[in-house]
Amino acid sequence: GAVVSQHPSRVICKSGTSVKIECRSLDFQATTMFWYRQFPKQSLMLMATSNEGSKATYEQGVEKDKFLINHASLTLSTLTVTSAHPEDSSFYICSASIPGTSNEQYFGPGTRLTVT
Amino acid sequence: KQEVTQIPAALSVPEGENLVLNCSFTDSAIYNLQWFRQDPGKGLTSLLLIQSSQREQTSGRLNASLDKSSGRSTLYIAASQPGDSATYLCAVRGGGKSTFGDGTTLTVKP
Repeated sequence: GAVVSQHPSRVICKSGTSVKIECRSLDFQATTMFWYRQFPKQSLMLMATSNEGSKATYEQGVEKDKFLINHASLTLSTLTVTSAHPEDSSFYICSASIPGTSNEQYFGPGTRLTVT
Repeated sequence: KQEVTQIPAALSVPEGENLVLNCSFTDSAIYNLQWFRQDPGKGLTSLLLIQSSQREQTSGRLNASLDKSSGRSTLYIAASQPGDSATYLCAVRGGGKSTFGDGTTLTVKP
């Protein structure tokens, strides 16, 4: 099956700093990728849809200036958490679908962000 | 707005038992439904994908059904094993995005 990777798998940062998380489709090209956030013992909440070559589409309540998304190529989308706060600590997961197929979603392994 | 509910929230069974996990959704205009497994602290592993035109999919000991008109899906696990212990999530795809349920946490006791 298709493989999606994320880097880093874990990151600890101080309040006020910015953190970049990468999502890569390793064996296919993804025109669209999705970013989710998962708080402990809760389900995945869609944050934004990342579109290659255009601006991301953010879900209601997600601050686009705080969560910067860049989809500069067909295999890479990045999520930058700017001016991080402890409440941004969460598990961030990306997914992608292979264009023109059944739209089955393939998920990355996730990134655990801890803001101290 | 699509809402997805999974029942029960947690389930504990002895090894070898057959079990059913339930997923319901409010908007039947879906593209597909996907069942995932998530181990603690890990990402998601896709188990089964059912297109809106299909009624069920099978993979090994897993069988997923879909009744789009009533907004329901079930995941049947046969002959459960301790290695099946995980959280099972269903996700409904429609309108270009997926909505997840809160999951069912399954514990299979040896």
